[in-house]
Amino acid sequence: ELKVEQNPLFLSMQEGKNYTIYCNYSTTSDRLYWYRQDPGKSLESLFVLLSNGAVKQEGRLMASLDTKARLSTLHITAAVHDLSATYFCARGGPNNNDMRFGAGTRLTVKP
Amino acid sequence: DAEITQSPRHKITETGRQVTLACHQTWNHNNMFWYRQDLGHGLRLIHYSYGVQDTNKGEVSDGYSVSRSNTEDLPLTLESAASSQTSVYFCASSVAGSSEQYFGPGTRLTVT
Repeated sequence: ELKVEQNPLFLSMQEGKNYTIYCNYSTTSDRLYWYRQDPGKSLESLFVLLSNGAVKQEGRLMASLDTKARLSTLHITAAVHDLSATYFCARGGPNNNDMRFGAGTRLTVKP
Repeated sequence: DAEITQSPRHKITETGRQVTLACHQTWNHNNMFWYRQDLGHGLRLIHYSYGVQDTNKGEVSDGYSVSRSNTEDLPLTLESAASSQTSVYFCASSVAGSSEQYFGPGTRLTVT
């Protein structure tokens, strides 16, 4: 069965701290996506990772992909309040017909 | 600017009624998708389409149908609404073969 597991599901951090969100998926894929969702809003694409060893960074967020371990990570550096949101990873195929989302990590950054 | 819209944004309906949710995109994307979002499940794929007259079932398609008569629209129909279909529904589109999906603003559906 195709599964995508994220952990932790809830994360409360202090501003300035670092932390990593993990995304494990059960079947082979060469595509892994990270999205951000603010309360009551739609999903915003953060990263698309297309190959083993891919690493992408945007501001305080860095995502990586290890296809052999079926693991992606989203690393947060020196968190700020504006990063408070729910983060989803999703595993997909070439035409996105078999997209599977993780349950999401609700991140709260406290002053 | 090109965009993807959904209507209505909020809908309350009664069990057993037929409901249609609209999705319209102006990017001329071939691929369109419908998802539902429930607490603890992330998003789950309901149906998808790769072009006009093409429709396919996703992970949770029972009780839903779609039709694709033009490139811009993919309406989602709940044939006989059930309380288990209370959810937030998102439409998305992408260029054929592309990795990146663009999501609409969502429709919150409540079935009483």
